[in-house]
Amino acid sequence: AQKVTQAQTEISVVEKEDVTLDCVYETRDTTYYLFWYKQPPSGELVFLIRRNSFDEQNEISGRYSWNFQKSTSSFNFTITASQVVDSAVYFCALSVKNYGQNFVFGPGTRLSVLP
Amino acid sequence: DVKVTQSSRYLVKRTGEKVFLECVQDMDHENMFWYRQDPGLGLRLIYFSYDVKMKEKGDIPEGYSVSREKKERFSLILESASTNQTSMYLCASSFEDNTDTQYFGPGTRLTVL
Repeated sequence: AQKVTQAQTEISVVEKEDVTLDCVYETRDTTYYLFWYKQPPSGELVFLIRRNSFDEQNEISGRYSWNFQKSTSSFNFTITASQVVDSAVYFCALSVKNYGQNFVFGPGTRLSVLP
Repeated sequence: DVKVTQSSRYLVKRTGEKVFLECVQDMDHENMFWYRQDPGLGLRLIYFSYDVKMKEKGDIPEGYSVSREKKERFSLILESASTNQTSMYLCASSFEDNTDTQYFGPGTRLTVL
């Protein structure tokens, strides 16, 4: 069975601090995809990144970076120099080839960035 | 840019009413999804569709039905709304494969009184 764990329920940081959101996944399949979404207070889930299981290179996009480590089944997300606008709930998700049409979402981590 | 729109941001209905939630995507996506989101329960899949007139039950289909008469439109129907269906409803679409990125609409916050 597939599972995604986001152990941090809530995190609070002060603006300009770096913060890492953890994501640990479980699957026995060798072909899978990992995602991060952001849900600001407005409610819409905004897609951030999609990474396949064969690409372990870290990704950087502006202040965002992602660290994918298959050895620990983790796909962690770091925000550098956090800003108030980063305050949101962040979801990690897993999709497995041939598992059907369902994404498996983690429970989410609520990030509060204080001014 | 992918655009997924939902007919209402906020909706208030009475118990027993029939409720229609509409979702439209403009990217010619094959797959469309309806989720509900509740505090402490995360995102739960209600129904999905991988083609026109096709539908599949998700994790919590009870009390809901769906309709997909056109590729771009996916409707969620609450035949007889109940207070336990008060929730945030999110629609999503994806291109073709089950591993393709799902793009979400703005959500509809439904309150059933």
